[in-house]
Amino acid sequence: QVQLVQSGAEVKKPGSSVKVSCKASGGTFSSYAISWVRQAPGQGLEWMGGIIPIFGTANYAQKFQGRVTITADESTSTAYMELSSLRSEDTAVYYCARGAVAGRMEGWFDPWGQGTLVTVSS
Amino acid sequence: DIQMTQSPSSLSASVGDRVTITCRASQSISSYLNWYQQKPGKAPKLLIYAASSLQSGVPSRFSGSGSGTDFTLTISSLQPEDFATYYCQQSYSTLAITFGQGTRLEIK
Repeated sequence: QVQLVQSGAEVKKPGSSVKVSCKASGGTFSSYAISWVRQAPGQGLEWMGGIIPIFGTANYAQKFQGRVTITADESTSTAYMELSSLRSEDTAVYYCARGAVAGRMEGWFDPWGQGTLVTVSS
Repeated sequence: DIQMTQSPSSLSASVGDRVTITCRASQSISSYLNWYQQKPGKAPKLLIYAASSLQSGVPSRFSGSGSGTDFTLTISSLQPEDFATYYCQQSYSTLAITFGQGTRLEIK
């Protein structure tokens, strides 16, 4: 049973960057996409982008192009999401989630990490 | 991007009721439609994938249907643990995966 465990909550200043990790255990890491989805307080779910570790190339939602970097380390089965130029509107819970279809970005997400709260405040 | 519109945005129902939530895509997405349940403070949980396939471990009172642009999630007999927010998600466009805005299901 695959499990995703994320890093802890962060408090950041506007203009800074944050890097959130997502460590997989209990299954195959490299062949399945890891996506990042965020949820602002009281709001819905927003896909930011994803990566298939064995391919190494990330896809990003247009909204976050140039500001987000998603990487993966196959040796530690860990994916990372770095968001730069933070502003108050980036305050949200950030989730990682594994794609269901090996070698493909499309498909459903299961399982999900527990979420990481990132608070951007001066 | 493909826009996903859920209706209603919120819904009040009683234990034992049959409930249907609708999700409409702005263009055809074949059967690339998935449903999630989210409870407060928790990560979303996959219920239905590929429009109508029940995820392992999910109670059979949940079902999904539809293809193209119109999809439904049905709960045949509401249980107390079903009160939550439900999201649809399209994965037809792999460069722009999008979710519906959510449907909050509350106890009447």
